[in-house]
Amino acid sequence: KAGVTQTPRYLIKTRGQQVTLSCSPISGHRSVSWYQQTPGQGLQFLFEYFSETQRNKGNFPGRFSGRQFSNSRSEMNVSTLELGDSALYLCASSLSGVSNQPQHFGDGTRLSIL
Amino acid sequence: AQSVTQPDIHITVSEGASLELRCNYSYGATPYLFWYVQSPGQGLQLLLKYFSGDTLVQGIKGFEAEFKRSQSSFNLRKPSVHWSDAAEYFCAVGEANSGYALNFGKGTSLLVTP
Repeated sequence: KAGVTQTPRYLIKTRGQQVTLSCSPISGHRSVSWYQQTPGQGLQFLFEYFSETQRNKGNFPGRFSGRQFSNSRSEMNVSTLELGDSALYLCASSLSGVSNQPQHFGDGTRLSIL
Repeated sequence: AQSVTQPDIHITVSEGASLELRCNYSYGATPYLFWYVQSPGQGLQLLLKYFSGDTLVQGIKGFEAEFKRSQSSFNLRKPSVHWSDAAEYFCAVGEANSGYALNFGKGTSLLVTP
């Protein structure tokens, strides 16, 4: 069974641009969560989607948005990029999004802002 | 406020020695507890989880963790560390009423010496 796949693995952008990251969950998983990982702040929850609906959202500005498609694949978009958005963005999927089910993580997208 | 604390930022152990990584949490309800490991350049791999029942849980790679409600702790242990265990370890907490957002500790970096 293939794991969680995130594309691209690496991305370099400049300030002010926008970026879209993609996440394909494990087959059959319907919940997709996104996290931002930085050396200073650690792992922070961005949002979670289940059945194409955003169920939970972390404390991030509106520049961060996402969506989920009918096949459970998810995209995350960041607009008007800032230097502080440089981070590893991790996607995680779970079977049904019940909070006592483990999340399975992808290898992440490393986003660098110049 | 809900929080997860990993008091040790770095830990160095000799190969073959025992290991204990500490995790303390502050949650109102009974939390769901997880330990993840992250190797450089990769995503997070689930080591073990605790939801209910037996407070000593076994995980992959020879790891175990013990849930102590009275101490609000969920420490990770391994009786004999291997050089391949060198990585970053994260304790994470979820809660039934918070949807599917995991709250992560800042992580403990494990160095294994010969």
